[in-house]
Amino acid sequence: GENVEQHPSTLSVQEGDSAVIKCTYSDSASNYFPWYKQELGKGPQLIIDIRSNVGEKKDQRIAVTLNKTAKHFSLHITETQPEDSAVYFCAAKWRGGTYKYIFGTGTRLKVLA
Amino acid sequence: GAGVSQTPSNKVTEKGKYVELRCDPISGHTALYWYRQSLGQGPEFLIYFQGTGAADDSGLPNDRFFAVRPEGSVSTLKIQRTERGDSAVYLCASSSSGDTEAFFGQGTRLTVV
Repeated sequence: GENVEQHPSTLSVQEGDSAVIKCTYSDSASNYFPWYKQELGKGPQLIIDIRSNVGEKKDQRIAVTLNKTAKHFSLHITETQPEDSAVYFCAAKWRGGTYKYIFGTGTRLKVLA
Repeated sequence: GAGVSQTPSNKVTEKGKYVELRCDPISGHTALYWYRQSLGQGPEFLIYFQGTGAADDSGLPNDRFFAVRPEGSVSTLKIQRTERGDSAVYLCASSSSGDTEAFFGQGTRLTVV
């Protein structure tokens, strides 16, 4: 069935340290993997994405890596800042006939000043 | 508009009542999604529109839930005979096609009392 597992559920890091969030997907046909940041009371905001023909993508302090063979993808945030504190969701685009996204359960990141 | 707009932002209704939630997608976006997010959980897929038609409504929990998009832009999610278990944040997202990045609105928080 369609499933995305996300770990850890909570993560606390010191300001300036790196944070890594990992996801595993079940549908081998998935070819698009976005990451969303959600702040309290707001909708999810797209922060970075990666397609299956690429192994890594970077945008300033954030990067995403994809291992298609293992069906793993990860979000890396370097030089964390207090404003990075939020809930992060990974997602995989389900290709079983439609374009719906399957989301992970979220990671609450807390950056300690 | 500049982003996905959802109205109302908050809705409190009595058990058994009918509610309508509105989504205004980004102008020109043909794909539209409805998701439901319970506290502490990731968004859960409800329905996906491509243009005016529902391409995938497999996530609608039961026949009390219905969504329309008559002109291929604005969409309305309709819930009949609301139950306390329907309380959640209802999120709408749109993308320029089914195969491109999706952008979310701020959500409608529905509370059934």
